[in-house]
Amino acid sequence: DAKTTQPPSMDCAEGRAANLPCNHSTISGNEYVYWYRQIHSQGPQYIIHGLKNNETNEMASLIITEDRKSSTLILPHATLRDTAVYYCIVRAIFGNEKLTFGTGTRLTIIP
Amino acid sequence: DADVTQTPRNRITKTGKRIMLECSQTKGHDRMYWYRQDPGLGLRLIYYSFDVKDINKGEISDGYSVSRQAQAKFSLSLESAIPNQTALYFCATSPIGGYNEQFFGPGTRLTVL
Repeated sequence: DAKTTQPPSMDCAEGRAANLPCNHSTISGNEYVYWYRQIHSQGPQYIIHGLKNNETNEMASLIITEDRKSSTLILPHATLRDTAVYYCIVRAIFGNEKLTFGTGTRLTIIP
Repeated sequence: DADVTQTPRNRITKTGKRIMLECSQTKGHDRMYWYRQDPGLGLRLIYYSFDVKDINKGEISDGYSVSRQAQAKFSLSLESAIPNQTALYFCATSPIGGYNEQFFGPGTRLTVL
């Protein structure tokens, strides 16, 4: 799996958009970008995934650069419940069942 | 009701004891996984199963065994627990035919004294 780099921590004001960056310069053509989050020792929660097009669901938006070497997860209107560690993971769909969680970004939403 | 449940949620045991952690899911997913998480670290895959007759080792399977009793149930056993198996254990499920997104249970906090 491609290695990812994320900032260790970020703050965001409640109600504002939280933009979490991820660098994955060694991503391969068949690898997707996945985002998960973990709220204080709870089970990790799947957020979104994408290959090369921007994606949006009820939780977040994922913006992937044209060269696919980086991406940004956007939480459009952050709430206090979005305080968590966010993990960017790059992996192929098939052939590797392991989810490699790095150290992630600890996002703190400020009231 | 939660889609993926784990029992027990907390367990304290002694070195040498046999421990079983159980996972049940109502999501109808065929794939199930067991991970452990140590403080400040990411998750590491212990075992995974694609269906009742398919069991695969993950990256840290030594000291653990699993049983897939049914599509909805996947148990993790520590035959003889040791202190460095103290960790947070997560079960996860994933649908076949999707994009391999995984859905996690709430976790079991295991302490081995």
